[in-house]
Amino acid sequence: DADVTQTPRNRITKTGKRIMLECSQTKGHDRMYWYRQDPGLGLRLIYYSFDVKDINKGEISDGYSVSRQAQAKFSLSLESAIPNQTALYFCATSGEVGQPQHFGDGTRLSIL
Amino acid sequence: AQKITQTQPGMFVQEKEAVTLDCTYDTSDPSYGLFWYKQPSSGEMIFLIYQGSYDQQNATEGRYSLNFQKARKSANLVISASQLGDSAMYFCAMREAHTNAGGTSYGKLTFGQGTILTVHP
Repeated sequence: DADVTQTPRNRITKTGKRIMLECSQTKGHDRMYWYRQDPGLGLRLIYYSFDVKDINKGEISDGYSVSRQAQAKFSLSLESAIPNQTALYFCATSGEVGQPQHFGDGTRLSIL
Repeated sequence: AQKITQTQPGMFVQEKEAVTLDCTYDTSDPSYGLFWYKQPSSGEMIFLIYQGSYDQQNATEGRYSLNFQKARKSANLVISASQLGDSAMYFCAMREAHTNAGGTSYGKLTFGQGTILTVHP
């Protein structure tokens, strides 16, 4: 089983719909992150969290919200999806600050 | 200014040859880390190698090595004996320590734009 699991893997939806992407991990890491990837732009940080009470905005948080339901679960929501949120979304986890981040397999989201 | 720059949008290499993927970075933080990730066409992000700013020796992991030149602020990835399965997108990323208002420390990653590597038989 994957250490960092994202669901769904693919989603096609319409403009204005509410979307939730889920991430769960079995690595026991405290720190969790959400990124989006657009062609030519690398990965950009949306939100990050240390625990259920510690939520922080990244560089592109507008239009997104998150919930850290438990140490192992971190979900990303698009309250009213728009086409320019079409992207590949990654969840990642890390232990201590110096350790690498471990990524889920990504969710490919298309908004029509 | 870009924090992480990968100047090679695409690179080609012959199977069994070595290839260097370039990465330069910009930071004023004395403590930072540099990572390389591989993204195959299937989309997942695979961690390859890490170099800390205080590490005295260049990092190596199997066929991967990191040519770390601190004064030049470069952290190039060298892949030796290329294989067809090395064809993928490669990202360089820099971790800078960040402490939020609550006092929690994070390692925030900034990614470069990536380099597509194609290995020819």
